[in-house]
Amino acid sequence: GAVVSQHPSRVICKSGTSVKIECRSLDFQATTMFWYRQFPKQSLMLMATSNEGSKATYEQGVEKDKFLINHASLTLSTLTVTSAHPEDSSFYICSVTGGVQETQYFGPGTRLLVL
Amino acid sequence: GNSVTQMEGPVTLSEEAFLTINCTYTATGYPSLFWYVQYPGEGLQLLLKATKADDKGSNKGFEATYRKETTSFHLEKGSVQVSDSAVYFCALTITQGAQKLVFGQGTRLTINP
Repeated sequence: GAVVSQHPSRVICKSGTSVKIECRSLDFQATTMFWYRQFPKQSLMLMATSNEGSKATYEQGVEKDKFLINHASLTLSTLTVTSAHPEDSSFYICSVTGGVQETQYFGPGTRLLVL
Repeated sequence: GNSVTQMEGPVTLSEEAFLTINCTYTATGYPSLFWYVQYPGEGLQLLLKATKADDKGSNKGFEATYRKETTSFHLEKGSVQVSDSAVYFCALTITQGAQKLVFGQGTRLTINP
């Protein structure tokens, strides 16, 4: 399967700052990438779906102006948490797929802590 | 709506014990069902899947059968090993142009030697 990396693996930032998280597909052409959020001891919740070269589709309740997603190439997607607040502290996970009905391959996740 | 409910953990077993992790779902339409596993420090990996009723998914000694009548997809393994210690996630998809996964809350499994 595909190898997916995320950077950074952990980040601590001050309230009000912006944080960028990268998701890279190292050996796979990812036409679609997904971003998930996971709270402690809870399930993964889909935040948005992005296709290479087009705007991301956000799930209901996810603020698109707060969570900016860019899918500039078939191997890179970025999630920027703008003006982060403590309630944005969470574990953010990306996944990649080659298309509809294809298996999703997951990154190891990024833990964000906002002070 | 679509949802997945998993057996609450954590689950602790001795090596060679029989494992069952329960999973039930609610879905509109005909979902595909999955089990993902997350080993410490790694991303989620697909363990097995089933795409229609009565299908059995299997991998690495794990099995799960898609039971439409009971809306269940329980994960089983006859003899667990220490290396099976991980978090297990049950999930479903209802394909709507993109494969959107709906996950259960995860079950942490620890196997003691």
